Amino acid sequence: QVQLQESGPGLVKPSGTLSLTCAVSGGSISSSNWWSWIRQPPGKGLEWIGEIYHSGSTNYNPSLKSRVTISVDKSKNQFSLKLSSVTAADTAVYYCARNLQKWEFDYWGQGTLVTVSS
Amino acid sequence: EIVMTQSPATLSVSPGERATLSCRASQSVSSNLAWYQQKPGQAPRLLIYGASTRATGIPARFSGSGSGTEFTLTISSLQSEDFAVYYCQQYNNWPRITFGQGTRLEIK
Repeated sequence: QVQLQESGPGLVKPSGTLSLTCAVSGGSISSSNWWSWIRQPPGKGLEWIGEIYHSGSTNYNPSLKSRVTISVDKSKNQFSLKLSSVTAADTAVYYCARNLQKWEFDYWGQGTLVTVSS
Repeated sequence: EIVMTQSPATLSVSPGERATLSCRASQSVSSNLAWYQQKPGQAPRLLIYGASTRATGIPARFSGSGSGTEFTLTISSLQSEDFAVYYCQQYNNWPRITFGQGTRLEIK
């Protein structure tokens, strides 16, 4: 059973950089799956941020592309998210997830709330 | 960007009854549509992908149908654990993947 666990600071200052890591267990990040980040502002809907393959190939949501970097560390079986120049609008629960075949997400982390505030 | 519109926003149904949730896309997404269930404080759970394929471990009372711009999620006989928020998601217009705003299924 694949499990994902997000970790990182729960509070980030405006104009700073949000950094999160997703640890994968029960499976290899070097499998044939892509791995994604998705966020959900409090009380609102879901937004796909981007994805990474174990080779390091990435794809991003065009609306966030200029501020997002996703990377992978195969030795630690984990992948990471960096979102720069954050504002209050970036306050959300951030989830990591596994892509099933295309962009359906079958395994999710529990999510971590990141608040952007001074 | 493809806008996904879910209706109704809230659906009140009694346990044991059938629930029908709708999702409309602003342009065709073929069959590249998924449905998720989310309970308070939990991550979404994949129910249906490819518009009609049940994900692993999902009970047969959940079924999906539709293609193009009109989609339906049907729960044939509601159980207490089915009351939650349901989201549709299109992935035909990658990388501009979009989700609906959700339908809250509540106990009548």
